[in-house]
This record gives sequence, C-alpha cells and structure tokens, in this order.
Amino acid sequence: GAGVSQSPRYKVTKRGQDVTLRCDPISSHATLYWYQQALGQGPEFLTYFNYEAQPDKSGLPSDRFSAERPEGSISTLTIQRTEQRDSAMYRCASSPGGQGGTGELFFGEGSRLTVL
Amino acid sequence: LAKTTQPISMDSYEGQEVNITCSHNNIATNDYITWYQQFPSQGPRFIIQGYKTKVTNEVASLFIPADRKSSTLSLPRVSLSDTAVYYCLVGDGHTGGFKTIFGAGTRLFVKA
Repeated sequence: GAGVSQSPRYKVTKRGQDVTLRCDPISSHATLYWYQQALGQGPEFLTYFNYEAQPDKSGLPSDRFSAERPEGSISTLTIQRTEQRDSAMYRCASSPGGQGGTGELFFGEGSRLTVL
Repeated sequence: LAKTTQPISMDSYEGQEVNITCSHNNIATNDYITWYQQFPSQGPRFIIQGYKTKVTNEVASLFIPADRKSSTLSLPRVSLSDTAVYYCLVGDGHTGGFKTIFGAGTRLFVKA
C-alpha cells in the first residue's frame, strides 16, 4: 500500500476481553515494528519482525501480549485478558530493512485502545 | 543498546535557529543517529540520519562530533508549525532489524 495502515483506529473494550490490532505495512518493507505509546510519553518498543521472523519480543509487557506476521506482510498484535493499564496508543511502523543505519521508519496512524 | 539523553523541553521564537543536543555516550561503532519529529495525534516522522560529521537536508542539519558521543539537531528559522516532540535514536539496522528505543524526546514549543 501507499502507507502503513492500522485498524481499528479506535477500540474500546471491557477489562478481561481479548483484542486484536492489525497493521498493514508498506508492501515492499521487510521490517515491521510495534510500539506502545502512553499519553505524553515516547513510543515504547514492543517487538519487531524481519519478514515473518520475530527476532526480538523482549518489549512485550507480559505473556498476554503476542504478535504475528505469518506471511511476512500483515501483522497482528493480540492482547489477551485486557487490563486497564493496557490502555494506550499502539503504533506500527515499517522499514525497508536490510540496510545500514536505522533505516527510516514509516508509522501508521495508530490504534487507540481504551480498556474500561 | 546505547541510551540517549535529551532535554525534556525547549522554547523558541519564530524565525530563530533551534539546536537540540542529544547525548549517547555508549554509542557503538555500527550505530547511526536518527532524529524523528512527532506532532500530537500523529506517528513519529523521520527527519534526518547521520553517522559522523555533518548531514544536511531540506529541513534540518545534524552535527556529530568526532567522538560521536553526542549529536545536535539544528532547525533553521523555526515556525509555529515546528512545535512538536523531537526524538533522538541510536541504533544499527544493518542486519535488517533491531530494537529501536525512542526515549522521552524533547518538547519544542515555538512562540510567535
């Protein structure tokens, strides 16, 4: 696609429910990142993918958080048994990858999750 | 991972040059320095990246001293629309993927 697309843009759920957020990266990009951003804070790294491989998921806050990118393109972030502290903006970014430097990250609009 | 330290906030006036310095004492040999800009309700946007010396593009300059333990983002003649949060990142993406740490960033407020 032309840019990184995330859905849903807004999600309100009740505590204890599972939610799945979707990210559709720029089509040619090898690398995909998930971040969590609380209001007034910088994005915090959750995990990243290089194609379908997930080399680093050390930023996931707990085992309730998981992410997939089964075909190396679209990715989902699932939060099981949501808690109020999970309320945040979840941002996805993609990058061409495989190059020197950090590679420019292209961010989507984000998915704002509110857990009641 | 190299940790970065930036001022929490800065104020400026329209038309002035703004310099934001970032410290990264533990920068590794392969690490690049990248700056992002974030407006409220938007995702961060790439501004500039460099490895050493000076890099300039149409929106900013990046100055990196020889020891690479700090870097300075220079925004010439800022306008009200430059009010945003600016993040300094240090990392290496040569292997095709890496952990990207944004930190708290610097909130720049440009006044008329």
